[in-house]
Amino acid sequence: DSGVTQTPKHLITATGQRVTLRCSPRSGDLSVYWYQQSLDQGLQFLIQYYNGEERAKGNILERFSAQQFPDLHSELNLSSLELGDSALYFCASSPGLAPSGANVLTFGAGSRLTVL
Amino acid sequence: AQKVTQAQTEISVVEKEDVTLDCVYETRDTTYYLFWYKQPPSGELVFLIRRNSFDEQNEISGRYSWNFQKSTSSFNFTITASQVVDSAVYFCALSGEAAGNKLTFGGGTRVLVKP
Repeated sequence: DSGVTQTPKHLITATGQRVTLRCSPRSGDLSVYWYQQSLDQGLQFLIQYYNGEERAKGNILERFSAQQFPDLHSELNLSSLELGDSALYFCASSPGLAPSGANVLTFGAGSRLTVL
Repeated sequence: AQKVTQAQTEISVVEKEDVTLDCVYETRDTTYYLFWYKQPPSGELVFLIRRNSFDEQNEISGRYSWNFQKSTSSFNFTITASQVVDSAVYFCALSGEAAGNKLTFGGGTRVLVKP
């Protein structure tokens, strides 16, 4: 158990729908990162929050949004879902602001989204 | 921009053989960090090792060893005397200021260890 909790583990939904993925970071970690892992794109960075504020943005679609709440848990909202959004979505957390030798990302088990 | 290339998409070995995974990176930063993660069939990503750009010492942890060579921008990973439990996808990753301190992953190398 990495200490990063993601729910749900599996989710099957239809095109056009909206889903919310939830992440609870390791105790004491202030940064939360979201990554998407698909067969054709590999592991892609989506977005990072640090202590409630957005700090870095990657290849996140406009249909996707995220937030980090005062208790530091984070949610990734995916809307108007398309078949191509089917992927494994990872949340990671770290103590500090930027990945470094002292600030290693710890990943959760992932949420597998299937869009039919 | 920064980039991580893992040229080997899949490697198949028989148990007890050694296997070396290649990782080549590109970055404009002088200070950067390299990582290896393991993704077993269960799907989670497990941190294995970190290395900063100023520390070129090789490292050994049990059956795992890492060879960092700045001159060739490589951070290779060797599993000695492989075991079936080593079967997984292994990812090399890089972070640095040039890419806004985002962690950039290579495409991964799938290792299959046969009994």
